[in-house]
Amino acid sequence: AQSVAQPEDQVNVAEGNPLTVKCTYSVSGNPYLFWYVQYPNRGLQFLLKYITGDNLVKGSYGFEAEFNKSQTSFHLKKPSALVSDSALYFCAVRDMDSSYKLIFGSGTRLLVRP
Amino acid sequence: DAEITQSPRHKITETGRQVTLACHQTWNHNNMFWYRQDLGHGLRLIHYSYGVQDTNKGEVSDGYSVSRSNTEDLPLTLESAASSQTSVYFCASSREGLTDTQYFGPGTRLTVL
Repeated sequence: AQSVAQPEDQVNVAEGNPLTVKCTYSVSGNPYLFWYVQYPNRGLQFLLKYITGDNLVKGSYGFEAEFNKSQTSFHLKKPSALVSDSALYFCAVRDMDSSYKLIFGSGTRLLVRP
Repeated sequence: DAEITQSPRHKITETGRQVTLACHQTWNHNNMFWYRQDLGHGLRLIHYSYGVQDTNKGEVSDGYSVSRSNTEDLPLTLESAASSQTSVYFCASSREGLTDTQYFGPGTRLTVL
């Protein structure tokens, strides 16, 4: 079965420090991977996606993600965290058995302290 | 600007009532999706549609229905609301390509008393 795991319920980081939000996946074939962010009382906003090509994907708000096929991971990163980055982050993978559906991880809450 | 909207944004209803949540997108996307978000479960797919007159069940479809009479709208109906359906509901849409991004609406917070 295809799946996505976000092993950390919460990540705490100080403002100005680098941040990493982890995501691992299990799919058959080549994965299409996505990161979304959800601010309080808002819908999910698209950050970035990996389809093919360069393993380092750059997205919105200074975020980037590194695709690692051997470790089946797609970790979200940012070199210098901002307090305004505090939000809920979701990793998702395209369900290859069902065309356009996405399988979402359970989410990771990022808390950036001043 | 093209967008995806949901209404109402908040709804309180009673057990046993029928409730319809609206979703409207102006991107002319063929694919539309309904999710529910609950603590500890992330997002779970309720129903989805790949075009007019096409509807499909997701992983948590019991007690919900959808219909797709045009490209822009995919209303979600709770036939007889239950307290277990208290949740935040999100609608999303995308184009047909396998690499295309799903874009989400702002959500509807539904409380069933």
